[in-house]
Amino acid sequence: GAVVSQHPSRVICKSGTSVKIECRSLDFQATTMFWYRQFPKQSLMLMATSNEGSKATYEQGVEKDKFLINHASLTLSTLTVTSAHPEDSSFYICSVREGGADTQYFGPGTRLTVL
Amino acid sequence: AQSVSQHNHHVILSEAASLELGCNYSYGGTVNLFWYVQYPGQHLQLLLKYFSGDPLVKGIKGFEAEFIKSKFSFNLRKPSVQWSDTAEYFCVPRAGSTGFQKLVFGTGTRLLVSP
Repeated sequence: GAVVSQHPSRVICKSGTSVKIECRSLDFQATTMFWYRQFPKQSLMLMATSNEGSKATYEQGVEKDKFLINHASLTLSTLTVTSAHPEDSSFYICSVREGGADTQYFGPGTRLTVL
Repeated sequence: AQSVSQHNHHVILSEAASLELGCNYSYGGTVNLFWYVQYPGQHLQLLLKYFSGDPLVKGIKGFEAEFIKSKFSFNLRKPSVQWSDTAEYFCVPRAGSTGFQKLVFGTGTRLLVSP
């Protein structure tokens, strides 16, 4: 199956700083990448969908200026949490989908802690 | 809007017991259905999926699920669980028109199998 990597796996930052999380598709070219966040003991919430070369589509209630998504290539998408605050602390997970395929493959997630 | 309900948040079983995890979704149109599993400390993995055809689908590790359209259900089953099945299980419908399809995660069911 597909392999999706995320970097870093854990990050701790100070309030007000920005943090960039990378998501890489290692096995195939991912035309579509998804970003989720998962709060403790809760389910995954879709934040945005990004297609290579175009602007990301954000879900309702997700601030696009705060969560910047760049899908620069078919194997890399980045999520930048700008001016992070403690309430942004969460587990961020990306997933990828190849072309018109029906299955998404998930990355291992990145745990962000904002102090 | 589509939604999904998993009946049990926590399930505790002994090894060799049979498993059935309930899942109901609400969506009137065509829907694809997935079960994902998240083992402790690992990323989400696809267990099985249903798109069309035989409503009884078999997945990895001896799991199967039955799609019952009239009941809007997609219950997951395994005849005999093992300690290694301890994990969190997510029933995930996907609905929406082409290009806007997205996975809808429920709260998940945490399964603990005691040896």
